[in-house]
Amino acid sequence: DAGVIQSPRHEVTEMGQEVTLRCKPISGHNSLFWYRQTMMRGLELLIYFNNNVPIDDSGMPEDRFSAKMPNASFSTLKIQPSEPRDSAVYFCASTLNSLAGGSEQFFGPGTRLTVL
Amino acid sequence: GESVGLHLPTLSVQEGDNSIINCAYSNSASDYFIWYKQESGKGPQFIIDIRSNMDKRQGQRVTVLLNKTVKHLSLQIAATQPGDSAVYFCAEIPVNSGGYQKVTFGTGTKLQVIP
Repeated sequence: DAGVIQSPRHEVTEMGQEVTLRCKPISGHNSLFWYRQTMMRGLELLIYFNNNVPIDDSGMPEDRFSAKMPNASFSTLKIQPSEPRDSAVYFCASTLNSLAGGSEQFFGPGTRLTVL
Repeated sequence: GESVGLHLPTLSVQEGDNSIINCAYSNSASDYFIWYKQESGKGPQFIIDIRSNMDKRQGQRVTVLLNKTVKHLSLQIAATQPGDSAVYFCAEIPVNSGGYQKVTFGTGTKLQVIP
């Protein structure tokens, strides 16, 4: 298995531009998570999808951030317009969630975003 | 003003010695715990997990200890190697409700292995 795939790996953009980050979860996993990691705040959960449906988006910073999961094999995180304070590493993770209890999340390699 | 980043606690260990990384968790309702390792430039990787009905679990060179009384988790790495240098995060997951596992990550501990 290729693991969780994220693209691009690095993104440099100017303030005000739209940024779209992409994620392909591990095949068969039914839960997908977007995280943001910064030196200031550590690893923060932004949004969680279960069976393609957003379940918890309480971590999304503001209306400039949006996420979609049109099917089980693809998700996007969009920032519009981007600001310098959005600079961070964005991780996507997936897991096979079940009512039996918690399970390991598999993380992608991350997208390093720099907003100038 | 100047931004202040998270001050990650750092543990420096001589190669070949044992390492112990500690974590205090906050939610007494958490029933599943995971240790992740994050190497520079990579995403967090699963190391070992433990459920609240256990107090010890062993893997290859790693052991996790859980003390629910004081809400404390530790990761022990035997015969630490240079490849173990990374940031280690503990994560807690509360009792499953409706299938949603909201994971809370600790701030992390940086392990430096001295050759």
